Amino acid sequence: DTGVSQDPRHKITKRGQNVTFRCDPISEHNRLYWYRQTLGQGPEFLTYFQNEAQLEKSRLLSDRFSAERPKGSFSTLEIQRTEQGDSAMYLCASSAKRGASGSRSYEQYFGPGTRLTVT
Amino acid sequence: AQRVTQPEKLLSVFKGAPVELKCNYSYSGSPELFWYVQYSRQRLQLLLRHISRESIKGFTADLNKGETSFHLKKPFAQEEDSAMYYCALSGGGSARQLTFGSGTQLTVLP
Repeated sequence: DTGVSQDPRHKITKRGQNVTFRCDPISEHNRLYWYRQTLGQGPEFLTYFQNEAQLEKSRLLSDRFSAERPKGSFSTLEIQRTEQGDSAMYLCASSAKRGASGSRSYEQYFGPGTRLTVT
Repeated sequence: AQRVTQPEKLLSVFKGAPVELKCNYSYSGSPELFWYVQYSRQRLQLLLRHISRESIKGFTADLNKGETSFHLKKPFAQEEDSAMYYCALSGGGSARQLTFGSGTQLTVLP
């Protein structure tokens, strides 16, 4: 499967615990995005990486959230001291400029998401 | 600030009937508009983008800058079109992140 993959697909945790999610983008894609989607809403942008550099963060990304993309490959999103309001689907997407394996300019390809439930 | 509004959360049509999913946006510059679709138990996937001006699976969407709209249309709906549809905007800048509407659940009845 050459698409974006995310792990785990589901995570149930107790309030106050830390969780970490992983995203593996399409291999030639240098851009990686994290979004959060709550019930009844569309995805909301959290943060963006170009290669290993985190270039933009949404104000939705509180201090409890941290994301990394070492070596510009896979990315991790960590949430510390989880709260019930963190319960959501966390989506990862990757893209590349036109010309990389035929992908369209900035078209974002989404992973299946990680569903987080905080009890 | 950029914003995307999809006024209909639910839309039902009969097979063979025309369908229009509404999308309005707010953005001060020149946006790039997309329609994404999510079929049951599948990931979000791009359906079409306004720059391409193409028809995918019989769907078309025209960007109307005067009305700030990007409505999705199909002349004859099929049962396999039943899905959640999201309109999204990319407002430029280096990140090109997407701002999504809240989505419209389309059900095509037999």
